[in-house]
Amino acid sequence: EDQVTQSPEALRLQEGESSSLNCSYTVSGLRGLFWYRQDPGKGPEFLFTLYSAGEEKEKERLKATLTKKESFLHITAPKPEDSATYLCAVQAPDSWGKLQFGAGTQVVVTP
Amino acid sequence: NAGVTQTPKFQVLKTGQSMTLQCAQDMNHEYMSWYRQDPGMGLRLIHYSVGAGITDQGEVPNGYNVSRSTTEDFPLRLLSAAPSQTSVYFCASKQTGDSYNEQFFGPGTRLTVL
Repeated sequence: EDQVTQSPEALRLQEGESSSLNCSYTVSGLRGLFWYRQDPGKGPEFLFTLYSAGEEKEKERLKATLTKKESFLHITAPKPEDSATYLCAVQAPDSWGKLQFGAGTQVVVTP
Repeated sequence: NAGVTQTPKFQVLKTGQSMTLQCAQDMNHEYMSWYRQDPGMGLRLIHYSVGAGITDQGEVPNGYNVSRSTTEDFPLRLLSAAPSQTSVYFCASKQTGDSYNEQFFGPGTRLTVL
């Protein structure tokens, strides 16, 4: 069975303290790995799609990378407004849009 | 362009009651889906639709019905609510089902079943 595991479950950072979140997956023949940000009481907001090993995407202080087994979301010099839950999801081949989500990493950035 | 909208935002039901969660999108997306989110478990797919008139089951379909009569709307029906259906429900859409582009999520409906 395909699995997506995110670690750590929670992360507390000081403003400016860079760190990385991990998303490991067991889907074979991955067709897409997605990162979403979710604020409390809101729906997931799309951040990045990665399609193949070695691919990297950047947006402001966030950078996502992909290998054959895992993806990392690097947060560089975070600010309090980066506080959110970050969700990882994978889409397998011929899955007709079905996403398999990890449980998320809750990030809190303190001033 | 409102994106994906959901109503209601909050709902409290008694066990055995039925209700419909509404979802609409104005992006002309063929693909729409419903997920539920429970603490510590991530989002799980309930049902999905690849176009008007076509629906299929996801990972956790029991106790839920869907239909898709128009491209814009994809309602989720709870037939006889149970406490185990207490959750936050999200609707999502994307251009087509056979693509690997991103899905856009609505703001969610928080449902409590007593």
